[in-house]
Amino acid sequence: DQQVKQNSPSLSVQEGRISILNCDYTNSMFDYFLWYKKYPAEGPTFLISISSIKDKNEDGRFTVFLNKSAKHLSLHIVPSQPGDSAVYFCAASKYGNKLVFGAGTILRVKS
Amino acid sequence: NAGVTQTPKFRILKIGQSMTLQCTQDMNHNYMYWYRQDPGMGLKLIYYSVGAGITDKGEVPNGYNVSRSTTEDFPLRLELAAPSQTSVYFCASSYTDRGGPQHFGDGTRLSIL
Repeated sequence: DQQVKQNSPSLSVQEGRISILNCDYTNSMFDYFLWYKKYPAEGPTFLISISSIKDKNEDGRFTVFLNKSAKHLSLHIVPSQPGDSAVYFCAASKYGNKLVFGAGTILRVKS
Repeated sequence: NAGVTQTPKFRILKIGQSMTLQCTQDMNHNYMYWYRQDPGMGLKLIYYSVGAGITDKGEVPNGYNVSRSTTEDFPLRLELAAPSQTSVYFCASSYTDRGGPQHFGDGTRLSIL
């Protein structure tokens, strides 16, 4: 029962262009969503989050959009940089901090 | 700024052996977690703790045990290693149980042969 799905295993983007990573969820009780970034041989690092009372949150080059009716969130990276090449995990939780993770999307930013 | 520290980074075990994965954090976080990540999969919660002396099962607890005697340390014990436990294990901690991100260690890559 995959409650959080990242349907694109990988994404390749040219440097300077926009990267859009997508995530779908099935549990309507989820009310807090996060994106983590992971480099090889390192642990995931927190990138950005959004509460279900919002539909958008920005932090520099990173913006997360939440569409509750579609149970869909996306991460936009503008402009994309080679250092953004990593695995991106979407995660969700309902009350309490037990996160449910998606399988991840590998982003490759080509220079 | 150590954050969450996991040891060892790599380990090979034989079937039936036991070992303890160590995790310590220096951020005075009450909440700590153990996850495993299998290839092509997301992180799955094994056990978590909401404070010293309090632990609870996550999604995949079978074959593992934990203890939390101090705020800083949250070791994960494998008693009888099985090939299905070959995975990368991540420990994490957080300040709050509501709306705050978890901070992860760099993981322990464990192979059971």
